[in-house]
Amino acid sequence: GAVVSQHPSWVICKSGTSVKIECRSLDFQATTMFWYRQFPKQSLMLMATSNEGSKATYEQGVEKDKFLINHASLTLSTLTVTSAHPEDSSFYICSARRQGAGQPQHFGDGTRLSIL
Amino acid sequence: GESVGLHLPTLSVQEGDNSIINCAYSNSASDYFIWYKQESGKGPQFIIDIRSNMDKRQGQRVTVLLNKTVKHLSLQIAATQPGDSAVYFCALKRRPMDTGRRALTFGSGTRLQVQP
Repeated sequence: GAVVSQHPSWVICKSGTSVKIECRSLDFQATTMFWYRQFPKQSLMLMATSNEGSKATYEQGVEKDKFLINHASLTLSTLTVTSAHPEDSSFYICSARRQGAGQPQHFGDGTRLSIL
Repeated sequence: GESVGLHLPTLSVQEGDNSIINCAYSNSASDYFIWYKQESGKGPQFIIDIRSNMDKRQGQRVTVLLNKTVKHLSLQIAATQPGDSAVYFCALKRRPMDTGRRALTFGSGTRLQVQP
């Protein structure tokens, strides 16, 4: 089955640090990847949609300069949280989808980000 | 605006009983619905999906029912097991012709607790 891998699974860093999270589709080519954020006991909220080779589309209220997304290949998308602050602490989850109508989204296991 | 909500935030059942998790949605343009299971510290795991041209779909121990008239979706789990304990999310997608997002919109989640 389709596998999506996120790295790291858990990161703790100081306020002001920039953190990069990787999302890889291990056994398929993902033309579209999505980044979600999930706060404790809440649902997944879409942050941005990333298409390979083009700029990401950000949801309303998500700062594109704060959350930099790069989708340079069909198997890798990265999310960089720049100058992270404690309020950015959250569970970040990516999903990936093959090209074509009706293709399902496959989710990674998330990255727990804690900013001190 | 669009919203997806759940009737019960927590559902506690006895092992072996059947579980029913409900979801209400507001956007009649939705044409694809999915149920996900999320265990603690992990990403969502696909359970079952259904398209708007269907009313019912069955999988292994799970059944999804869709009532488009009242915009209601349910997930039935037969013979619930302790391993079914998790948070369950319904998610929906708009028709591709919609100029809005093609990503999934998630409901707020229901925690299923299975008592041994």
